[in-house]
Amino acid sequence: DIVMTQSPDSLAVSLGERATINCKSSQSILYSSYNKYSLAWYQQKPGQPPKLLIYWASTRESGVPDRFSGSGSGTDFTLTISSLQAEDVAVYYCQQYYSTLFTFGPGTKVDIK
Amino acid sequence: EVQLVESGGGLVQPGGSLTLSCAASGFTFNNNWMTWVRQAPGKGLEWVANINEDGSDNYYVDSVQGRFTISRNNAKNSLYLQMNNLRADDTAMYYCARATGPGSTHYFDYWGQGTLLTVSS
Repeated sequence: DIVMTQSPDSLAVSLGERATINCKSSQSILYSSYNKYSLAWYQQKPGQPPKLLIYWASTRESGVPDRFSGSGSGTDFTLTISSLQAEDVAVYYCQQYYSTLFTFGPGTKVDIK
Repeated sequence: EVQLVESGGGLVQPGGSLTLSCAASGFTFNNNWMTWVRQAPGKGLEWVANINEDGSDNYYVDSVQGRFTISRNNAKNSLYLQMNNLRADDTAMYYCARATGPGSTHYFDYWGQGTLLTVSS
């Protein structure tokens, strides 16, 4: 199975500042037919289901604010919140969908400093 | 508007059985793979199972293989998860989600609110 790791486990950022979350896959997740990485990011607020933010590593889902961006290549990926807002407090998960045995990272909790 | 509504959760004794349901609306149900994802209390997300558009293909996480069965009824726009020989570590919120992507590789673009399964004596 492809193992996904995330760092840090948690971070606290001041309002308006940048938050950066890292995700690493245990092997390449490049979907060769599309030449894109099979990596999604989700946001989960307390008591709510996850919400899709980013797919194909960098494509923002419709309706997601443009302060959220995804990047990366190879086995290393990043979710960046360019200017943290109060409503961004949540746990963020990465997910690989290269393998049909889908796996999530353990999550990164984002709080306000 | 896409809606996914899970039901069927509850308290079950170890070794028992239960079937979860997910009612879908707002999209053409038989055009999408569907999936179940679970989340143990205070823990992260774990993909459980998925099923293709006509129900002829499916995959499971190792920990539920042979105990859980995913199925769908496209005429009723419904997804199911039959769970047998339940264990305490199956205790979780179970989410139904729509799968999107090429072939059998998917991200999950719509999620239900979840249904809670507790396995305890």
